[in-house]
Amino acid sequence: DSGVTQTPKHLITATGQRVTLRCSPRSGDLSVYWYQQSLDQGLQFLIQYYNGEERAKGNILERFSAQQFPDLHSELNLSSLELGDSALYFCASSPTPGRSTDTQYFGPGTRLTVL
Amino acid sequence: GESVGLHLPTLSVQEGDNSIINCAYSNSASDYFIWYKQESGKGPQFIIDIRSNMDKRQGQRVTVLLNKTVKHLSLQIAATQPGDSAVYFCAEGGGSNYKLTFGKGTLLTVNP
Repeated sequence: DSGVTQTPKHLITATGQRVTLRCSPRSGDLSVYWYQQSLDQGLQFLIQYYNGEERAKGNILERFSAQQFPDLHSELNLSSLELGDSALYFCASSPTPGRSTDTQYFGPGTRLTVL
Repeated sequence: GESVGLHLPTLSVQEGDNSIINCAYSNSASDYFIWYKQESGKGPQFIIDIRSNMDKRQGQRVTVLLNKTVKHLSLQIAATQPGDSAVYFCAEGGGSNYKLTFGKGTLLTVNP
């Protein structure tokens, strides 16, 4: 158990809908990262937050957004969902100011299925 | 663009043998490398990391080797066990880049 929690574990929804995925980092970790994992693309970095502020952006679609709250939990919002958004979404956290040399600890993931 | 790739998508070994998983990276500015293990239905689990000022680092039954000249990274698992069966990812990061770039992964299967 990494100490990173994610909810829900599974999510099934329809095209065009909007969902919110939630992540709680390890105690004391200030940085949160979101990744998408699909069969054909592997693990793709989406976005990183550090202490409430966006720090780095990866291959995140315009339809997706995220935020980190004062209690350091983070939410990833996916809107206008398409079939191709079906994937595993992972959250990771790291202890210090969010440099890429920090070890990232991953949560168990949310499996999103868009029908 | 930046990329991290794996030479072998699958690797099958006998229990007790040593396993070697390889990874090539393309960003010469990367100075931090990590190996993760992902079991079915779980998130990636940190195994071992290495910084660019080292060429070898050992953990419990695992060794990571870094060859900066040819931009190559490898993970060696000694006395491979059935519990080692998983997908292994290498990732690179460092410099001014806050994100990690992951390879596509190698599936390791350990036969009893």
